[in-house]
Amino acid sequence: SQQGEEDPQALSIQEGENATMNCSYKTSINNLQWYRQNSGRGLVHLILIRSNEREKHSGRLRVTLDTSKKSSSLLITASRAADTASYFCATDARRLVFGQGTRLTINP
Amino acid sequence: NAGVTQTPKFQVLKTGQSMTLQCAQDMNHEYMSWYRQDPGMGLRLIHYSVGAGITDQGEVPNGYNVSRSTTEDFPLRLLSAAPSQTSVYFCASSLWLWETQYFGPGTRLLVL
Repeated sequence: SQQGEEDPQALSIQEGENATMNCSYKTSINNLQWYRQNSGRGLVHLILIRSNEREKHSGRLRVTLDTSKKSSSLLITASRAADTASYFCATDARRLVFGQGTRLTINP
Repeated sequence: NAGVTQTPKFQVLKTGQSMTLQCAQDMNHEYMSWYRQDPGMGLRLIHYSVGAGITDQGEVPNGYNVSRSTTEDFPLRLLSAAPSQTSVYFCASSLWLWETQYFGPGTRLLVL
C-alpha cells in the first residue's frame, strides 16, 4: 500500500485563487517532500520539510507538517495558469515512496 | 551541468525482446534510482543504488536488472519485455538517500 496519499485526486480552480492539497502517510518519517510534474515531463522538487519542522515557505508555496496527525499540506497562493500540473508528496519510510498525486488545473 | 539524462525518450518493443534504458548524471551524486509511473499509480521504485558497485531492490524489481559500475551511470535492463512493463520510466539521483531527488525527463516504453 502507498505510504503517502494525496487528497484531493483532482482540483480545478480559477487563476488567482489559492490551491490547497493534502498528503497523509502511515509510518514515522525523517522528511516529507513535495514535487511537481508537468504533463509528460519529469518531476521537479518543490520543498523538503523535515520531521522537526512544522512549516516551510518557498515563494508562493507554503508547506505544513503535522507529525501527530501524519499529514502535510501544500498551499499555492495566487495561482497562475503555469501552476497547472500534478503534485506529489513523497515520504521516506524504508525508502522514498510517492503518492498518486493531485492533478491541479488553473482556469484562466 | 546537464543534470540527469535518459535515453531513449521513446521505445517500442515486442514481447520477449530485451533492452537497456540508459541513465547518466553529472552531479557526482552517490544515490541513483529507477521508478516507473503508471496512470493512477504514482511512482513506484524499481531498483536503487547507494554508490558504485552497490544496488538494491525497490518495490517492483521483477523483470528488471541494474548495475552501477561508475558513479555517473545507472542503466536499467529489461530481460524479456512483457506488456505489463509498458510504462514511463524515470531515473533520479540525489546527494543523500531519500533526500531531494533530481529526475530525468523519462523514457516512454511501449511493449506490444
